[in-house]
Amino acid sequence: EIVMTQSPATLSVSPGERATLSCRASRSVTYNLAWYQQKPGQAPRLLIYGASTRATGIPARFSGSGSGTEFTLTISSLQSDDFAVYYCQQYNSWPPLTFGGGTKVEIK
Amino acid sequence: EVQLVESGGDLVQPGGSLRLSCAASGFTFSSYGMSWVRQAPGKGLEWVAAISNSGGTTDYADSVKGRFTISRDNSKNMLHLQMNSLRAEDTAVYYCAKFADNYPVSPLQHWGQGTLVTVSS
Repeated sequence: EIVMTQSPATLSVSPGERATLSCRASRSVTYNLAWYQQKPGQAPRLLIYGASTRATGIPARFSGSGSGTEFTLTISSLQSDDFAVYYCQQYNSWPPLTFGGGTKVEIK
Repeated sequence: EVQLVESGGDLVQPGGSLRLSCAASGFTFSSYGMSWVRQAPGKGLEWVAAISNSGGTTDYADSVKGRFTISRDNSKNMLHLQMNSLRAEDTAVYYCAKFADNYPVSPLQHWGQGTLVTVSS
């Protein structure tokens, strides 16, 4: 099983600032890495797939990078709507599909 | 517009059974792999099971293998999860999700709003 580790667990950021979230895989997942956003009481929403491709309708302030075992999600200028929990997920080698534990982005 | 609507969540006693359903619309259901993902209260996301577009291939998390069965009815655009021998640790919101293209190397592109399963005496 590929273990996904996200850091930090909580990120405190002021609106307008840049947020950088990290995700590490226990072994290579090549580019088969997705990021999801989840707000309280809502279902997850696909943000990024293929490590760096934005899903339909996702604003350009969201960007993904990395390959192999190290990945980053960057939100260039945080807006109030971006405060949420973010999960990474590998789909390169499964079952099982595995998610990271999440990073909560909160208002500083 | 893709829509996934789950139903069937309920309060059930330990050892009991429950069948979840997911009604799909807005896409050609028979062309896409589907999955169930759950989220225990206050916890992260946990993949539960997946099924290929034809239903010919199914996969399960170790935590549910032998107790849960995923199935689909392509004639009715429905996805199901039969859950037997339920345990307290199965308590969660269960999401139905649709894979994007290129299953199985594919992210979960669309998600339903979830249905709550509570296992308690």
